[in-house]
Amino acid sequence: NAGVTQTPKFQVLKTGQSMTLQCAQDMNHEYMSWYRQDPGMGLRLIHYSVGAGITDQGEVPNGYNVSRSTTEDFPLRLLSAAPSQTSVYFCASSPQTSGSSYEQYFGPGTRLTVT
Amino acid sequence: GQQVMQIPQYQHVQEGEDFTTYCNSSTTLSNIQWYKQRPGGHPVFLIQLVKSGEVKKQKRLTFQFGEAKKNSSLHITATQTTDVGTYFCAGPSTGGGNKLTFGTGTQLKVEL
Repeated sequence: NAGVTQTPKFQVLKTGQSMTLQCAQDMNHEYMSWYRQDPGMGLRLIHYSVGAGITDQGEVPNGYNVSRSTTEDFPLRLLSAAPSQTSVYFCASSPQTSGSSYEQYFGPGTRLTVT
Repeated sequence: GQQVMQIPQYQHVQEGEDFTTYCNSSTTLSNIQWYKQRPGGHPVFLIQLVKSGEVKKQKRLTFQFGEAKKNSSLHITATQTTDVGTYFCAGPSTGGGNKLTFGTGTQLKVEL
């Protein structure tokens, strides 16, 4: 199993450009999520999905869109990149539960710079 | 909203010294998870604590969940250079399920 994969590993964008960060998992996990990591601020939840066709907003959703057409894939779209979106982005997945929480498996991350 | 704070933010130790990071939540947690992130890497799950007052050990790492289930700690005995990284605690977010609120993290540096 490859686990959680993310592409690209690095990306430089100009302000106003759009792009899609790819995330895929081969563990048949229902729950997937996107986080951004900024120095001193830990990991903040952007969007998450509890299954194909179902997405919801996290703590910092503005400027980002997601969709979940399959169990495996959960792409994150930046609509119009801004310098404030310079960050490291992590995708994560875990088995879905209705009650408790399970460990999350993280991808290797995408380091995004917006100039 | 729910907040999870960790102290200290940074810690430099000499190899062989002990290290402790503390995690405090503004709300009672049903469980708490700990993750380790090596420099340039991604967070990796270490452990989950569920019961009030629970203590779990993994070799030189000792994890504790507070009696009130609002705080937790990670203690490393006799640090090694392989312990370098950032340690995060995480608790279930309001709304339940798999949503997690991560702490701010403690960055550990170990010097020879």
